[in-house]
This record gives sequence, structure tokens and C-alpha cells, in this order.
Amino acid sequence: QVQLQESGPGLVKPSQTLSLSCLVSGGSISSGHYYWSWIRQSPGKGLEWIGRIYIRGSTEYNPSLESRVAISMDPAKNQFSLQLTSVTAADTAVYYCARAGAYLFYYIDVWGKGTTVTVSS
Amino acid sequence: EVVLTQSPGTLSLSPGETATLFCKATHNISSSQFAWFQQKPGHTPRLLIHGASNRATGIPDRFRGSGSGTDFTLTISSLEPEDFAVYYCHQCAGSPWTFGQGTKVEV
Repeated sequence: QVQLQESGPGLVKPSQTLSLSCLVSGGSISSGHYYWSWIRQSPGKGLEWIGRIYIRGSTEYNPSLESRVAISMDPAKNQFSLQLTSVTAADTAVYYCARAGAYLFYYIDVWGKGTTVTVSS
Repeated sequence: EVVLTQSPGTLSLSPGETATLFCKATHNISSSQFAWFQQKPGHTPRLLIHGASNRATGIPDRFRGSGSGTDFTLTISSLEPEDFAVYYCHQCAGSPWTFGQGTKVEV
């Protein structure tokens, strides 16, 4: 059974770069059957899709964040990562990594437990 | 961008009653790329319905999804205490993927 686990600093200073990783276990990140995504949820708010990465590094981002976000993957470590630059307090949120189908099905079927990131000096 | 608008924002019901939640999209969505999630405080979203009407593994049959095109519905029959939560609709048919703002089902 595939499991996802986020990791990274819980506190980031304003204007700095938020960096998170998602370790995938129980399956290969190199499978062409899945998209690997980042989603966030600000305190008391709804879910916001940040972006996704597919095999060979093909990426797609939410236009609202596109100028500041980069998602990459490391097949050797079976993980993918999120970088969000120039963060502000508005980027304080729980960040989830997730897997979605790209071939046999088309929905998010696996979520990480989420990691809380606070932007504060 | 496909905007998903959920209604009502909050649904106040009692155990045993039926909850009907709506999700309206600004553009037609392929049913295969539409889903409903349940989220309880402090927990990860849980997949309930995929393909607009297919229950995910382990989801009881009191949860029913229906709809197509721009209008989708989640019906929860005979509410159980554990069903009181926030429900989100979601589409991955168009980029960016989007979620509705959520419907809170409360006692």
C-alpha cells in the first residue's frame, strides 16, 4: 500500500523559501500511472491545489502561485519536492502531498498526513 | 479555471436525517474526473466518491454521489454521528485542479 510522508521545516521566515519533500513508500514515483501533487490548506480554510509533477518532470502549477512555485522529483530517492519562494504569512498552511491517477483512474487516492508550515519572523 | 461552488455552506441536521450537498461547476466536467472528499478537524481529507458516483473502498452505501456536466450532488442518508464533518467537491478535469469551498455538516 502506497504511503506518502511530508517533511521539512515547520517555521519559515517571511521572504524566504519554503522547501518540503514527500517520500513515497510502497510504490514507485517513476510509474507513468500517477500524478504527484502538492495541496495546501490555510488555517480554517479550504483546500488549494498547488501543482503536480508527472514522469520525466512534466509539471503544472496553479496560476495563482506559478511565479513562486517549483515541484521536482528525485526518482533515486523515490520522493518529490516543493519549493515556494518569497513566502508571506498568507502561505502559512498545512501542506499535503498526494497521489492522483493519470491513466487507469483520475482522482486523488492517497494523501500524506500533512505538515504544518508557519511563516513568521 | 473551473470554479466549484458548493451549497449550502453549512447544513445543520440531526443523526438519522438525510444530508443533500450540491456542487456546481462553471464549466462542464467529465464525471470521471470529479470526486467528493470528507474532512474531519485535524485529519487528512478522505476520498468518498470518485467518478461522480462511485463509492471509494470502505465507504458505506449511505453515501451516494450523482450528477454530471456542471451539477453534482452528494447525498448522505441516515446520518451517523461520524458523518458530521466538512465535505469538499473536487475536479481534476481542467487545470488548475480545484476544490469547492466546502460544506460543513453539523449537528
